[in-house]
Amino acid sequence: GESVGLHLPTLSVQEGDNSIINCAYSNSASDYFIWYKQESGKGPQFIIDIRSNMDKRQGQRVTVLLNKTVKHLSLQIAATQPGDSAVYFCAEPSYYGGSQGNLIFGKGTKLSVKP
Amino acid sequence: SQTIHQWPATLVQPVGSPLSLECTVEGTSNPNLYWYRQAAGRGLQLLFYSVGIGQISSEVPQNLSASRPQDRQFILSSKKLLLSDSGFYLCAWRGDKGGAPLVYGYTFGSGTRLTVV
Repeated sequence: GESVGLHLPTLSVQEGDNSIINCAYSNSASDYFIWYKQESGKGPQFIIDIRSNMDKRQGQRVTVLLNKTVKHLSLQIAATQPGDSAVYFCAEPSYYGGSQGNLIFGKGTKLSVKP
Repeated sequence: SQTIHQWPATLVQPVGSPLSLECTVEGTSNPNLYWYRQAAGRGLQLLFYSVGIGQISSEVPQNLSASRPQDRQFILSSKKLLLSDSGFYLCAWRGDKGGAPLVYGYTFGSGTRLTVV
């Protein structure tokens, strides 16, 4: 769900290492998830998405894993680079009332890459 | 292709002054449009969304209002700014990505950094 008032958790990794960013969701009926990357002072940018009929999807250096049993989503970044430093958000469409289809964002994770 | 424009990029306004932020979308018709606010080091808070001209839904009570005078124009306003209105304001539009079940993609503008002093 939305946690806009919380400070962002942080993840610090060494350049070249793999990064794993996690996200939990609560609605077992959720069927679509999106990961966004937001660099400092910019709007969020789409990275990768996944439908609930899949448990894994790969992009360029990124992989999203979906575990519907425990309602958990993760974003894996291979060979993390300094340019990957940003805040990463998971998001899902709202399924309720008039807000149906509107994106609900997770609290975000700030990724810092050490050279 | 679709593009979204948001301006200004930065704005410093005194307390009590009015506000008008504009967002326009190109390359699509009848989009769902959104205004989000992000406080420093925080997540994204949905403020308003619009499914069509003149149709505005507010997600949280606040000192701000929104209007949609044209299909591809979305405006965020305030009559009198408060210090607590400071933040990073993002406009977004929702596009149909198709598939089954039908899913949507959101595209965000570049944001406006508002500082109320």
